[in-house]
Amino acid sequence: QKEVEQDPGPLSVPEGAIVSLNCTYSNSAFQYFMWYRQYSRKGPELLMYTYSSGNKEDGRFTAQVDKSSKYISLFIRDSQPSDSATYLCATNSGGYQKVTFGTGTKLQVIP
Amino acid sequence: GAVVSQHPSRVICKSGTSVKIECRSLDFQATTMFWYRQFPKQSLMLMATSNEGSKATYEQGVEKDKFLINHASLTLSTLTVTSAHPEDSSFYICSAHGTSGGYNEQFFGPGTRLTVL
Repeated sequence: QKEVEQDPGPLSVPEGAIVSLNCTYSNSAFQYFMWYRQYSRKGPELLMYTYSSGNKEDGRFTAQVDKSSKYISLFIRDSQPSDSATYLCATNSGGYQKVTFGTGTKLQVIP
Repeated sequence: GAVVSQHPSRVICKSGTSVKIECRSLDFQATTMFWYRQFPKQSLMLMATSNEGSKATYEQGVEKDKFLINHASLTLSTLTVTSAHPEDSSFYICSAHGTSGGYNEQFFGPGTRLTVL
């Protein structure tokens, strides 16, 4: 069993739709949860991070963590064609510990 | 945010040659850097953790004699793929640990695409 499971997609939505991306993890030691966006042939860029269970909002993006069920989500409101990318969930146990990535979900927002 | 650069961005080499990839933290010091490999349509797989002034820690299954890592300064780590073969063709990405807004974040470089003929 992978430590972080993520549906690879692809996911195709019309512009303006609400996008829901999800991951599950198995290691209870994981404390930090991140979402990265990766455009084709580029390195990942951090979108959001969160430590505690609950929601964290940043503009059109909301990250949600439920530690009891080991479930993390990213919601994108009013999706735009520029949001088309691969989204990777990631987690680690904190500090300078190595990050474990999900497989990534490829998102396409159609104009 | 902090910037991490990689050089070269793209390299094509013949089988059997060695290739060196540089990873630099441009505006911060990084005692820890990480090297990842990403095959097409797959996620990032950690290859090794590079600590300044000490030997790198390799993940299980990664050949340390093939992938030589040197972290000689607080702003530079290098990955040398020795005697490269076509199966080593991949996207190599480094990241450097820094602090942003109180959170220990990994800042990723833009990646190096290696093609071995």
